[in-house]
Amino acid sequence: AQSVTQLDSHVSVSEGTPVLLRCNYSSSYSPSLFWYVQHPNKGLQLLLKYTSAATLVKGINGFEAEFKKSETSFHLTKPSAHMSDAAEYFCVVSEGIQGAQKLVFGQGTRLTINP
Amino acid sequence: SQTIHQWPATLVQPVGSPLSLECTVEGTSNPNLYWYRQAAGRGLQLLFYSVGIGQISSEVPQNLSASRPQDRQFILSSKKLLLSDSGFYLCAWSGKGTGGVFGSGTQLSVL
Repeated sequence: AQSVTQLDSHVSVSEGTPVLLRCNYSSSYSPSLFWYVQHPNKGLQLLLKYTSAATLVKGINGFEAEFKKSETSFHLTKPSAHMSDAAEYFCVVSEGIQGAQKLVFGQGTRLTINP
Repeated sequence: SQTIHQWPATLVQPVGSPLSLECTVEGTSNPNLYWYRQAAGRGLQLLFYSVGIGQISSEVPQNLSASRPQDRQFILSSKKLLLSDSGFYLCAWSGKGTGGVFGSGTQLSVL
């Protein structure tokens, strides 16, 4: 079974500074990986996805993530944090199940932006 | 474009009462449909998925059931709610090789 581990439950940065949210995955084959963002009491929005094309994936709102097979990592970064980035972020790996696609979620990282 | 609708947004129900949450998808046909639950302070857990009308697979044993009476309709139900059923429920759909597209969620409080 596939799994993801988000290494930090809470990250706090100052506005304008870089953001790094860490994620490691476990998969027996080449995985599909995603990052989702959830603002308070809202649904989930897809930030970006990796599906075995370019290892550096660019997403919305200036976020990007790099797939590193040797390190089994898929860390999410942003050069300069904005107040609106404050939210919960989920690293997700996709697992095929009988024609459907099971998304296995990490436990989430809460990102706080300090003014 | 594809859209997904989920309702109600919030729901407060007494223990032992029935539950029906509905999800519909527009702009696509034969989608894979999913129900996820998010307990407070935790990640999401897949409850049910469906690859077609009348085809329901359950990931975890629980007090809930799901049905897919139409191609783009997915319903989450319970005959008698438990306190432990409280949480944030999210419906999602996916095509092949894509991540899930999620609805806006239903916050269920069982009191």
